[in-house]
Amino acid sequence: EVVLTQSPGTLSLSPGERATLFCRASQGVSSTYLAWYQQKPGQAPRLLIHGASSRATGIPDRFSGSASGTDLTLTISRLEPEDCAVYYCQQYDTSPTWTFGPGTKVEIK
Amino acid sequence: EVQLVESGGGLIQPGGSLRLSCAASGFIVRSNYMSWVRQAPGKGLEWVSVIYSGGYTYYADSVKGRFTISRDNSKNTLYLQMNRLRAEDTAMYYCARGAFSGYEWDYWGQGTLVTVSS
Repeated sequence: EVVLTQSPGTLSLSPGERATLFCRASQGVSSTYLAWYQQKPGQAPRLLIHGASSRATGIPDRFSGSASGTDLTLTISRLEPEDCAVYYCQQYDTSPTWTFGPGTKVEIK
Repeated sequence: EVQLVESGGGLIQPGGSLRLSCAASGFIVRSNYMSWVRQAPGKGLEWVSVIYSGGYTYYADSVKGRFTISRDNSKNTLYLQMNRLRAEDTAMYYCARGAFSGYEWDYWGQGTLVTVSS
């Protein structure tokens, strides 16, 4: 079973700053099977990135994703107040099962 | 417009049963893979179950043998039958539509809360 770990647990930044969120898989996973979600308080998750680096429909281009080996990165280039949320990485394996990371909380100062 | 509306949650005693519904509009449920994903209060996301367009179903180990996912094509609705409920099943339950790529979910409902407590 693939386990996902995310860091940092919480990120506190000012508007306009760059946010870099990390997700590490316990074993190699195809980038095709990796995604990121944003969840704002009281709301359902929202798909941001699929295939490790492809933005979902309607997602602003300040959100970008990349993957290398077992490491997945989500970058928010210029933080806006509405980006305050918890961000989850997710992976799929062919069992099939889906696994989420524990989340990174992004706070806006 | 794609919409998913869950219902059926509530307070239930341990050992009890509950059936969740997810009414879909704007697309055809039987043509997509659909999942239930849950989130315990203050915790992260946990995948629960999936049903593919061909009818194949799969479950997380934590619910296997107790939960059953199904759909009613005539009603364009997804279900989750939950039996032998435990306190640790307490969570917000979301239904979600599978994305075209096949490996994540592009539309989510707002969730229905299930509380298992005596």
